[in-house]
Amino acid sequence: DAKTTQPPSMDCAEGRAANLPCNHSTISGNEYVYWYRQIHSQGPQYIIHGLKNNETNEMASLIITEDRKSSTLILPHATLRDTAVYYCILGGGANNLFFGTGTRLTVIP
Amino acid sequence: GAVVSQHPSWVICKSGTSVKIECRSLDFQATTMFWYRQFPKQSLMLMATSNEGSKATYEQGVEKDKFLINHASLTLSTLTVTSAHPEDSSFYICSARDYRAPSYNSPLHFGNGTRLTVT
Repeated sequence: DAKTTQPPSMDCAEGRAANLPCNHSTISGNEYVYWYRQIHSQGPQYIIHGLKNNETNEMASLIITEDRKSSTLILPHATLRDTAVYYCILGGGANNLFFGTGTRLTVIP
Repeated sequence: GAVVSQHPSWVICKSGTSVKIECRSLDFQATTMFWYRQFPKQSLMLMATSNEGSKATYEQGVEKDKFLINHASLTLSTLTVTSAHPEDSSFYICSARDYRAPSYNSPLHFGNGTRLTVT
């Protein structure tokens, strides 16, 4: 299980973009970067994933650096309901996903 | 989207009793499901991998005789906590992936968890 590093916590003002960084310097060539979030007392919710190209969906954007050693999840207009723990996980090859400690994002009114 | 349903969402039981938790994939089939456990203020820890029609694979330190897993169909896996004790109180979460999707490039879908409290 490859390792990712995330800041333990971040704050973001409501309505502003939330940019959550993740370092994964030991990522291997076939590993995808996955982002999940967990709102208190719920199961993790899938957000987005990518290999090397930037990705966007209705929830967020994922920016992966050219060397793939880091990535940033962008929530373009954070709302109070986006307050959660965000996990950056490497997946590929192995069937399951190993969760690190994540970033606790607090959206402030 | 793919939905994984867990039941019950919470349960309180007395020490020494057994508790069964169900995990169902509602709109897809899964040959493999995963069971996680999460203690307060901690991250998810993988307990075991449930394989349809065969024995589960347990992570190191997880007692297979205490946490019985059955995956009898492509849409249902169950976790039974046998002879539960207060230290088994935790948040148990299952996940699954559509068996037709490649594992390296498709997300896992998670249930909403079961909060077990053993008194």
